[in-house]
Amino acid sequence: EPEVTQTPSHQVTQMGQEVILRCVPISNHLYFYWYRQILGQKVEFLVSFYNNEISEKSEIFDDQFSVERPDGSNFTLKIRSTKLEDSAMYFCASILDGSSGNTIYFGEGSWLTVV
Amino acid sequence: GNSVTQMEGPVTLSEEAFLTINCTYTATGYPSLFWYVQYPGEGLQLLLKATKADDKGSNKGFEATYRKETTSFHLEKGSVQVSDSAVYFCALMRPDSSYKLIFGSGTRLLVRP
Repeated sequence: EPEVTQTPSHQVTQMGQEVILRCVPISNHLYFYWYRQILGQKVEFLVSFYNNEISEKSEIFDDQFSVERPDGSNFTLKIRSTKLEDSAMYFCASILDGSSGNTIYFGEGSWLTVV
Repeated sequence: GNSVTQMEGPVTLSEEAFLTINCTYTATGYPSLFWYVQYPGEGLQLLLKATKADDKGSNKGFEATYRKETTSFHLEKGSVQVSDSAVYFCALMRPDSSYKLIFGSGTRLLVRP
């Protein structure tokens, strides 16, 4: 079965450093997403990306966050200057399109620890 | 606004017990409804889904029925196993909002032998 892959699986970074989380969505999918899950809390939507631009973003997705699709396969989330409260599991996801019955597939997650 | 409310956990059951995890939603329009499962140390996996009222999603012995009149999508299983221990997330997708998922807070299930 096709899958969404994410790297790294775990990253520890110093506060104030830049972090890039990488994702390879399923190859024919059109919509891409980043979600965040702070330890023990709910999964929160950060941003959706379609046709090479952000289609929707949440209040969490402020100026320190950015996303990019630098080539035909990768989809990245950049956090410019990490804060302690950015420590979380970050999930990448993709969907073919919004047709009824289609499913959003998630990667295994990238666990970010800011110290 | 759109939201999903799940029963608080943890839910602790003995093996072969009956499971119900309640989920209710608030949404405009006609959302699709999902249950995702997160096993320890793993990512989110789709468990089942329903895209319209009265649809029943089922997978691995789990079932949930989309009830528009009660805005609910309760997860049930007749006989749980130790391997079902995980966190279960109810979620909705509105078709007019980038198809993003809105998740409930998750319910941890612990099944004891």
